[in-house]
Amino acid sequence: GNSVTQMEGPVTLSEEAFLTINCTYTATGYPSLFWYVQYPGEGLQLLLKATKADDKGSNKGFEATYRKETTSFHLEKGSVQVSDSAVYFCALSGSKTSYDKVIFGPGTSLSVIP
Amino acid sequence: GAGVSQTPSNKVTEKGKYVELRCDPISGHTALYWYRQSLGQGPEFLIYFQGTGAADDSGLPNDRFFAVRPEGSVSTLKIQRTERGDSAVYLCASSLTYTDTQYFGPGTRLTVL
Repeated sequence: GNSVTQMEGPVTLSEEAFLTINCTYTATGYPSLFWYVQYPGEGLQLLLKATKADDKGSNKGFEATYRKETTSFHLEKGSVQVSDSAVYFCALSGSKTSYDKVIFGPGTSLSVIP
Repeated sequence: GAGVSQTPSNKVTEKGKYVELRCDPISGHTALYWYRQSLGQGPEFLIYFQGTGAADDSGLPNDRFFAVRPEGSVSTLKIQRTERGDSAVYLCASSLTYTDTQYFGPGTRLTVL
């Protein structure tokens, strides 16, 4: 079945450091890929998504590129801020045109220190 | 506009008791989802409603779990004979249709003593 693997945390970075959170997936066909973020005390929210190979999703300075050849969707940000401290979840849905449930990875906790 | 709301925010119960968790989706959203999130894990899919009907209940762990959405809006997740292993945060999400972005509620933290 479909699955998502992401790097274990917690990750601790200094402000303005470069961030990479690795995510790889296993799926049949052509899934849609997502990054969700959960800020402290808040609900889960969609950060960015990509629906086909080589698509780049971007939002709030974060980017991730759908790489079908390596089955990866790594999250990157060039300069993190303290306000980026949160838990980040990589996720996939097996179909973009019909229903399929969303499968989440275990999450990576990020702490950014001033 | 109002987001997805869930009540109660916290529920403490004793092993063997029955609990109901409520979800109010965003108005007009036809799709509604329930997830369970254990400590240190990602959300785990439980059930998906399209309108009033459960279109996919493959994630419900056993027959102690049941969910309804009788008028195609509010949904209730019902857990019978609760067990300590049911302790988790139960998340609800809604979307305009099943291909659209899911918006999550704040969750209900269930603790079974």
